[in-house]
Amino acid sequence: SAVISQKPSRDICQRGTSLTIQCQVDSQVTMMFWYRQQPGQSLTLIATANQGSEATYESGFVIDKFPISRPNLTFSTLTVSNMSPEDSSIYLCSAFYEKLFFGSGTQLSVL
Amino acid sequence: KQEVTQIPAALSVPEGENLVLNCSFTDSAIYNLQWFRQDPGKGLTSLLLIQSSQREQTSGRLNASLDKSSGRSTLYIAASQPGDSATYLCAVTLDSNYQLIWGAGTKLIIKP
Repeated sequence: SAVISQKPSRDICQRGTSLTIQCQVDSQVTMMFWYRQQPGQSLTLIATANQGSEATYESGFVIDKFPISRPNLTFSTLTVSNMSPEDSSIYLCSAFYEKLFFGSGTQLSVL
Repeated sequence: KQEVTQIPAALSVPEGENLVLNCSFTDSAIYNLQWFRQDPGKGLTSLLLIQSSQREQTSGRLNASLDKSSGRSTLYIAASQPGDSATYLCAVTLDSNYQLIWGAGTKLIIKP
């Protein structure tokens, strides 16, 4: 199995600022994923981050708004840029290691 | 386009009962299906993964079945406990790139 440490667990941010979320995996993984979960809804995939290549974004998500780094096989960051209240959500990272494992999530509130 | 539906959206049962959660998908060409549990303020925990060639998987009090031809999976929870209270999500994978299509989840409450 794999353990994913995600931080911060929660944050309250001002409109127009940016927040970077970090995920550390205790095993080397090729595929990592970033999800958003809005209140009362299921998960929406933001992007797939494979080490050694640019992140692949899903429809409705762009790199300028959600830049992603994947510097090695155990680490990834997602930045939520120029935040607005509509970005208030839970952000989750996951990694595929025989099956999918998830971080504990980041609860983001934008005022 | 693959769609995943979970019914019911919410379920409340007394402790000790056996229960079944349902997941249906529209396209039988799946790579695998996975059941997750989500607790408030926490991430998701993988419960069971069923490969497309398998019919069921078991872990403790949990049993998940897969019927690709009918586009259905069930999660059976035996002898439910208050600690089983959580939201249960199913997701199908379409290919080895491991991008998942998610159901909206079933919120389960087990009453002591």
